[in-house]
Amino acid sequence: KNEVEQSPQNLTAQEGEFITINCSYSVGISALHWLQQHPGGGIVSLFMLSSGKKKHGRLIATINIQEKHSSLHITASHPRDSAVYICAVGNEKLTFGTGTRLTIIP
Amino acid sequence: GAGVSQSPSNKVTEKGKDVELRCDPISGHTALYWYRQSLGQGLEFLIYFQGNSAPDKSGLPSDRFSAERTGGSVSTLTIQRTQQEDSAVYLCASSATGERFHNEQFFGPGTRLTVL
Repeated sequence: KNEVEQSPQNLTAQEGEFITINCSYSVGISALHWLQQHPGGGIVSLFMLSSGKKKHGRLIATINIQEKHSSLHITASHPRDSAVYICAVGNEKLTFGTGTRLTIIP
Repeated sequence: GAGVSQSPSNKVTEKGKDVELRCDPISGHTALYWYRQSLGQGLEFLIYFQGNSAPDKSGLPSDRFSAERTGGSVSTLTIQRTQQEDSAVYLCASSATGERFHNEQFFGPGTRLTVL
């Protein structure tokens, strides 16, 4: 069993829909990261959080330490949000989930 | 400012040859990381450098893999006697340490290695 599990693996939605991607982990962590990888491979760090909730534009990330679970939400989704979203845990040495491929259809 | 850069962007080599992959971190970042993303696989940690401390090599898959970081800046990942299973995208990241920076990692564009 992977230490970091993401769901769903693939998600297709219509433009404007509210998107939720989930991440569960089985190890104690100091921090959880949400990363975005666009076609072509570039990876961008979206959030790093260790408790509570963070918001950046249309993106919201939450974490529940007791339940070892985090969610990434996208409000008013847009085709440019289409990417692979990766959850990772750790402070320096990261352990990664397998990613969620999100496709937003116009 | 400049982000993390990696070279070459693509490398095709023959099985058994040695390859060197280069990473230039963001200026002033004390931490540098190497990761690997194999086709159809997730990202995996390879090695981590922090300042002048001994690197954390726990993710290196075999003794054919080594890395060094000269002068606390540029890093080179070397793979000796390459095998086909080494084909992957090798990603480098750097971060500024300290509570203020939260250790956010900034990723380079990667080097796509193909071993024939």
